[in-house]
Amino acid sequence: SAVISQKPSRDICQRGTSLTIQCQVDSQVTMMFWYRQQPGQSLTLIATANQGSEATYESGFVIDKFPISRPNLTFSTLTVSNMSPEDSSIYLCSVPGTDATNEKLFFGSGTQLSVL
Amino acid sequence: RKEVEQDPGPFNVPEGATVAFNCTYSNSASQSFFWYRQDCRKEPKLLMSVYSSGNEDGRFTAQLNRASQYISLLIRDSKLSDSATYLCAVIPYTGGFKTIFGAGTRLFVKA
Repeated sequence: SAVISQKPSRDICQRGTSLTIQCQVDSQVTMMFWYRQQPGQSLTLIATANQGSEATYESGFVIDKFPISRPNLTFSTLTVSNMSPEDSSIYLCSVPGTDATNEKLFFGSGTQLSVL
Repeated sequence: RKEVEQDPGPFNVPEGATVAFNCTYSNSASQSFFWYRQDCRKEPKLLMSVYSSGNEDGRFTAQLNRASQYISLLIRDSKLSDSATYLCAVIPYTGGFKTIFGAGTRLFVKA
């Protein structure tokens, strides 16, 4: 299993500001995923971060609001831009495991974001 | 209809009880299925994969019913430490990597 370091673990931010979340993996991975988990709800995939190309966003999420960087195979950032209270959530990065199918996911410890 | 649906619970059971959760999925072409466990304020962690033939890991048994498009998780001899939220997860596309999660079922095991 991969070891994933995610930071910050939590933050309280003012509306209109931006927060960048970092995710560092101890091994090279082709894909990294960014999820959001709102209180009492399921994990929702925001985007897939691909090294060397633009991220692939899911329906309802756009690059201007959630820009993603993927400078190498072990690191990615997600920025939550122009925040509003509706962005208060837990944000999680995730990578596939190294089994044959690469289907099992391993998660960072999450970033709990509160927007005032 | 949500792609993956679970009974949110909560399930409140005494220690030693057997408890079962079901999860339904909408895409009949889905190929891969998993159960994850999420403790309070923690990240999800893979509990077990769900194979067509079913699989068992200690007190945990997972089964897949393709005809009815649901997967199940059975926990026998519940322990206090089993208290958590159990997330059903489905990869709906063959060869794809996008994982869809259910909202989770909360389990409380009481002494």
